[in-house]
Amino acid sequence: AQKVTQAQTEISVVEKEDVTLDCVYETRDTTYYLFWYKQPPSGELVFLIRRNSFDEQNEISGRYSWNFQKSTSSFNFTITASQVVDSAVYFCALSDQGISGGSNYKLTFGKGTLLTVNP
Amino acid sequence: KAGVTQTPRYLIKTRGQQVTLSCSPISGHRSVSWYQQTPGQGLQFLFEYFSETQRNKGNFPGRFSGRQFSNSRSEMNVSTLELGDSALYLCASWTGGLDGYTFGSGTRLTVV
Repeated sequence: AQKVTQAQTEISVVEKEDVTLDCVYETRDTTYYLFWYKQPPSGELVFLIRRNSFDEQNEISGRYSWNFQKSTSSFNFTITASQVVDSAVYFCALSDQGISGGSNYKLTFGKGTLLTVNP
Repeated sequence: KAGVTQTPRYLIKTRGQQVTLSCSPISGHRSVSWYQQTPGQGLQFLFEYFSETQRNKGNFPGRFSGRQFSNSRSEMNVSTLELGDSALYLCASWTGGLDGYTFGSGTRLTVV
């Protein structure tokens, strides 16, 4: 069975600090998909990134970067020079293979990390 | 383009009643899935539909059901409501491609 662990329940930083959100996953499949979502107070989950298990390249998008390491089953997310608008709950999620070999069309979420960026 | 639309945004129901929630996916998205979010259990998968067929189902009692129409719009129904069903219910749609699931703003259900 798949499992996603976000050990950090809450993180509080001061604006302009860098912050890393940890995500560790478990799956028995060799093909799977990892996601990060942001949930602001409005409640809507905002898609940030999707990564396939066979693509271990790190990714950078503006102030956001992701470090995917299969050897440690981790998919960590770093925000550089944090801003107050980054305050939200961040979720890591996993989707692994279904019976047919494709996605099982189900996201397994971690419990989320509440990030508070103070001015 | 329009996002995923969920109606209603807020709902208050009494124990024992039933409720129907609606989700309109992004145009062209044929996959629709539903999630329940509570403070205690977090985000949990309910079910996923594609072309009116349920492809996967989470570990929820039979009181939770759903369906998808030919225009990809989806509804979920909860019968015999219990206090523990109070939650934010989120719907997501997906193209089936390389992007992620797009979520709606959710329906916040309160059972009293």
